[in-house]
Amino acid sequence: EPEVTQTPSHQVTQMGQEVILRCVPISNHLYFYWYRQILGQKVEFLVSFYNNEISEKSEIFDDQFSVERPDGSNFTLKIRSTKLEDSAMYFCASSDVPGETQYFGPGTRLLVL
Amino acid sequence: EDQVTQSPEALRLQEGESSSLNCSYTVSGLRGLFWYRQDPGKGPEFLFTLYSAGEEKEKERLKATLTKKESFLHITAPKPEDSATYLCAVGDYKLSFGAGTTVTVRA
Repeated sequence: EPEVTQTPSHQVTQMGQEVILRCVPISNHLYFYWYRQILGQKVEFLVSFYNNEISEKSEIFDDQFSVERPDGSNFTLKIRSTKLEDSAMYFCASSDVPGETQYFGPGTRLLVL
Repeated sequence: EDQVTQSPEALRLQEGESSSLNCSYTVSGLRGLFWYRQDPGKGPEFLFTLYSAGEEKEKERLKATLTKKESFLHITAPKPEDSATYLCAVGDYKLSFGAGTTVTVRA
């Protein structure tokens, strides 16, 4: 069964460092998403992406964040200068079309020290 | 902005003791309502999608229903392996999630 994969599973970084989180969406999906979940809190939407453009983004997704589809299979989230409050689980998701089911990856646990 | 509220926050059940979880929502126009299961430290695992009032979906011991204001997830004769956090979400490009209901099923 097709699934979304994410690497790395865990990432520890120092405050101010850049991190890149990687995702491989389901192969025939066209819409890609990033969400995050701070420990003990709700899953929060960050950004949606289609046809090499951002479709929608939340207030959390400020200038420190960027997304890219560098090739036909990968989808990345970059945080330019990490802050302590960026520590969270980051989930990638993909769907056929908006409004259809979004399938989530296993997540990357990011810890900023 | 879409709002999703789930209740109760936590539910402790004896094996075989059926119960229901509630998800109430406030949206400008429902594009889809989604139920996910989340195990600790894992990503949300898709369960059901509902689009219109009156719709019902079923899978093993789980059944999801939808009205104009809320959705219910019914767990029939639960087993310990049904222990998880159940998340409700609404939206299309952007999913708005509830805080979840953590279900613990004791043998």
